[in-house]
Amino acid sequence: DTGVSQDPRHKITKRGQNVTFRCDPISEHNRLYWYRQTLGQGPEFLTYFQNEAQLEKSRLLSDRFSAERPKGSFSTLEIQRTEQGDSAMYLCASSLQGHEQYFGPGTRLTVT
Amino acid sequence: KQEVTQIPAALSVPEGENLVLNCSFTDSAIYNLQWFRQDPGKGLTSLLLIQSSQREQTSGRLNASLDKSSGRSTLYIAASQPGDSATYLCAVRPQAAGNKLTFGGGTRVLVKP
Repeated sequence: DTGVSQDPRHKITKRGQNVTFRCDPISEHNRLYWYRQTLGQGPEFLTYFQNEAQLEKSRLLSDRFSAERPKGSFSTLEIQRTEQGDSAMYLCASSLQGHEQYFGPGTRLTVT
Repeated sequence: KQEVTQIPAALSVPEGENLVLNCSFTDSAIYNLQWFRQDPGKGLTSLLLIQSSQREQTSGRLNASLDKSSGRSTLYIAASQPGDSATYLCAVRPQAAGNKLTFGGGTRVLVKP
């Protein structure tokens, strides 16, 4: 296993379209996190899972955002009716409970 | 609410000079603090993790100190090289349940040859 992977790496979409991103964590990690990073800022927490359970959601995660981790392995993050303000880097991380988080390469979203 | 600040936002130094990057946080009830490196358009690479009970952590040319009571951490990079040019982020993990990290805004470093 070479680490956390994310797909796609880049996504350009028109305002109003739906997009879905995928994250594959390190295989034995039971925790998975999503963060969002806008240009020039540090990442901000969105949500995290322990196995398949979504345990915490940030207020940043509006009703247009939904995340799943159906079998406790990979996770998807969907954004419905995208807005220009959604343009950002979406980062995924995974960890064993209580241990260091390892980050993926991110998905860069551009909403035109 | 935890707030993490990194000053300066940008730093430019000649090659060979030592780098000193600062991170401050408002709530001292942290579980650990982590320093990351981020290259343009890329994800985060973990550099050092300091547990709340530790005062410092070292890896090669990197040394990070932690003063939990004053809410400060410093990352030292000795004998900087052009390859050290990147953005450096610090993040704290709270003692409370859950694992989310709170990040600073980062310090963008340029090492000139």
